[in-house]
Amino acid sequence: AQTVTQSQPEMSVQEAETVTLSCTYDTSESNYYLFWYKQPPSRQMILVIRQEAYKQQNATENRFSVNFQKAAKSFSLKISDSQLGDTAMYFCAFVPGSNDYKLSFGAGTTVTVRA
Amino acid sequence: ETGVTQSPTHLIKTRGQQVTLRCSSQSGHNTVSWYQQALGQGPQFIFQYYREEENGRGNFPPRFSGLQFPNYSSELNVNALELDDSALYLCASSLVGGLHNEQFFGPGTRLTVL
Repeated sequence: AQTVTQSQPEMSVQEAETVTLSCTYDTSESNYYLFWYKQPPSRQMILVIRQEAYKQQNATENRFSVNFQKAAKSFSLKISDSQLGDTAMYFCAFVPGSNDYKLSFGAGTTVTVRA
Repeated sequence: ETGVTQSPTHLIKTRGQQVTLRCSSQSGHNTVSWYQQALGQGPQFIFQYYREEENGRGNFPPRFSGLQFPNYSSELNVNALELDDSALYLCASSLVGGLHNEQFFGPGTRLTVL
């Protein structure tokens, strides 16, 4: 079974600053995919960024980037130049390549961007 | 392109009752997954439907059941409701063979069981 752990229940960041969210996972699979999803208050969940385990290069999407450490089974998300609209719950999620229908989510990290 | 929609938005039921939640998948998607998200927690996988058949199930009892229709829309049925079934129920659609089975989520149905 796969588990995803997010150890930071809440994070607060000043507008325009940088915040890093941590995520660790446990799996015996060699091929898998990792995701960060954003769930704004009372709004639907959207994909922020994805990472394929077979790729060594860290994924980047505009102000969002990841630090993927496969050996350490770590997948952190960095939000640069934080904006008020980044305020949301962020979930780290994992899907195995061998059985790629079941997303396993972490408990989430609430990010609050202060003006 | 039409996104994932869910109905109803909110629902209040009493313990022991039955409930049906509905989901319309994103245009072009053939797979629907259902998740339960308790307050303050991450979503938990309930099951997935592909080509009108259940294609995998999480750790949920049989009183959680589903359907997928030829137009790929889906229903989640929960019988004999319990207080712990109170949660946000999320539907996500995807395309088999698509990019890493990326799932697109609907806004959810908030179920309250009294």
